Amino acid sequence: DAKTTQPNSMESNEEEPVHLPCNHSTISGTDYIHWYRQLPSQGPEYVIHGLTSNVNNRMASLAIAEDRKSSTLILHRATLRDAAVYYCILRDPSDYGNKLVFGAGTILRVKS
Amino acid sequence: NAGVTQTPKFQVLKTGQSMTLQCAQDMNHEYMSWYRQDPGMGLRLIHYSVGAGITDQGEVPNGYNVSRSTTEDFPLRLLSAAPSQTSVYFCASSLNLPPGLADVFRGEQFFGPGTRLTVL
Repeated sequence: DAKTTQPNSMESNEEEPVHLPCNHSTISGTDYIHWYRQLPSQGPEYVIHGLTSNVNNRMASLAIAEDRKSSTLILHRATLRDAAVYYCILRDPSDYGNKLVFGAGTILRVKS
Repeated sequence: NAGVTQTPKFQVLKTGQSMTLQCAQDMNHEYMSWYRQDPGMGLRLIHYSVGAGITDQGEVPNGYNVSRSTTEDFPLRLLSAAPSQTSVYFCASSLNLPPGLADVFRGEQFFGPGTRLTVL
């Protein structure tokens, strides 16, 4: 599986945008970029995913670099509820089994 | 829908004891899996199943057994608990879309709330 690199932690002020970076320089042409987050004392939850184009949903936006070697998860207005560990995961679509390989992720702290 | 449920929420075992962690889902998902999460680390895959009667090993399967007799349930058995198995255990489920379609059609995994296990 291709590897991802994320900062250990980031801090944001409430109501401000947050940009969470992820480097994946060894990404293959067919790997999808998935983001999950884990709120304190809970299981992970899906946030967003994409292949090449930028993606938006009600939770966040995903900006993917043109060379696909990096991506950025954007929370448009951080709230205290967004404090969590954010995982950037690459998935090989030919992989049979829906497996997710988690790294250590980025701890996002949101200040009021 | 209850989603993915796990029991118990907390468990303390002595070294050598055996126990079963329960996982159930009511979304008719074919794919189910078990992960463990040690402090400060990401999740690691223990075992997974792509449907009733089919299971396979993940990254860290030693010391654990699974079976899948129904679509809804995927129990994880610790045969002889060891302190190294102290961890938080998460069960997850998703549709088992064919390779390629899982990502195109989202194929997100739904996680349970976890079981916190301590082995003394």
